[in-house]
Amino acid sequence: AQKVTQAQTEISVVEKEDVTLDCVYETRDTTYYLFWYKQPPSGELVFLIRRNSFDEQNEISGRYSWNFQKSTSSFNFTITASQVVDSAVYFCALSLPAMDTGRRALTFGSGTRLQVQP
Amino acid sequence: DAGITQSPRYKITETGRQVTLMCHQTWSHSYMFWYRQDLGHGLRLIYYSAAADITDKGEVPDGYVVSRSKTENFPLTLESATRSQTSVYFCASSESLMWNYGYTFGSGTRLTVV
Repeated sequence: AQKVTQAQTEISVVEKEDVTLDCVYETRDTTYYLFWYKQPPSGELVFLIRRNSFDEQNEISGRYSWNFQKSTSSFNFTITASQVVDSAVYFCALSLPAMDTGRRALTFGSGTRLQVQP
Repeated sequence: DAGITQSPRYKITETGRQVTLMCHQTWSHSYMFWYRQDLGHGLRLIYYSAAADITDKGEVPDGYVVSRSKTENFPLTLESATRSQTSVYFCASSESLMWNYGYTFGSGTRLTVV
């Protein structure tokens, strides 16, 4: 079975600080997909990124960057120069490209609540 | 509007009552999922469906029933609501293409069982 661990329950930073959200995953499959979602106070889930297991290139999108390391089964998310609008719960998730729908379903971590203080 | 719609957005019900949460998608996605979100647990899979008339249990199915008579609808029914089913429920859909793994989520239904 797949497992995603987000050990940081809550993080509080001051605006303009950099912050890294950790994500560690477990799967026996060699092909998988990793995701990050943002859940702002309004409650909806906002897709941030999808990463294939065979693509270990790190990605940067504006102030967001993701570090994927297969050797440590980690897919960490860094926000540079954090802003108050970044305050949200962030979820890391994993899915498999399987014919079995249950294995295709996203397995979520427990989430990390990020509070950015002005 | 195209997308995935959940209704109602908020629901308060009494213990023992039956309640149905609706999910409707307009893309004809094959795969649909129901999750519940609870503090400390993230989102956990309740039920999923690969196509009309094909459904199966996820991680936490007890106390829930689903149906999928049409591709676009995937209602979730709590047969006899309990307080432990107070949660936020999310419906999601996904295309059938193997390498295009996008998941689209509804806005969620906040259910309170009193």
